[in-house]
Amino acid sequence: DQQVKQNSPSLSVQEGRISILNCDYTNSMFDYFLWYKKYPAEGPTFLISISSIKDKNEDGRFTVFLNKSAKHLSLHIVPSQPGDSAVYFCAATHNNYQLIWGAGTKLIIKP
Amino acid sequence: KAGVTQTPRYLIKTRGQQVTLSCSPISGHRSVSWYQQTPGQGLQFLFEYFSETQRNKGNFPGRFSGRQFSNSRSEMNVSTLELGDSALYLCASSLPSAYNEQFFGPGTRLTVL
Repeated sequence: DQQVKQNSPSLSVQEGRISILNCDYTNSMFDYFLWYKKYPAEGPTFLISISSIKDKNEDGRFTVFLNKSAKHLSLHIVPSQPGDSAVYFCAATHNNYQLIWGAGTKLIIKP
Repeated sequence: KAGVTQTPRYLIKTRGQQVTLSCSPISGHRSVSWYQQTPGQGLQFLFEYFSETQRNKGNFPGRFSGRQFSNSRSEMNVSTLELGDSALYLCASSLPSAYNEQFFGPGTRLTVL
């Protein structure tokens, strides 16, 4: 049973445009959500997070939106840059318990 | 501050053998988690150690085991290797109060032939 789903295995976006990565979850008890970015041959690195008491968190070019009623969150990257090409993982946790991860979305930024 | 290190980076084994992977966390981090990553499956949680004790465990068979030492370094062992164990094994460390934000090592790529 996949509690965290990233339904798009890959996404291609033109440089300078907005990239939107989506994540759905099934467990309404999740209270904290995170996005990680992973380059080939490296471990994932933390990007941005959001608590369930908020609906938006912004950090520079990265904004995460949380829609609790739809059990959906999204990561917006504006403007997209070539260095943003990577695999993005969505993860969720409840009460600081173990992280539950999505399968990842490969983002390709086209020049 | 040095990051999370994992050794070896690459490993090739044959079915039936056993393997031990090592992880050194960031200095001051006492929580170490292990994950298995396979294509299309995301990161599957194996277990988490804190202060030499296994605190959480994922849904993996008993062939997968781990331990943590007093200096917070951790090892993971897989016995009786199967072809399906071929994967990238990632280790992550975190501060006890910030379990959510984990810092990952580069991983060990295990290939079972």
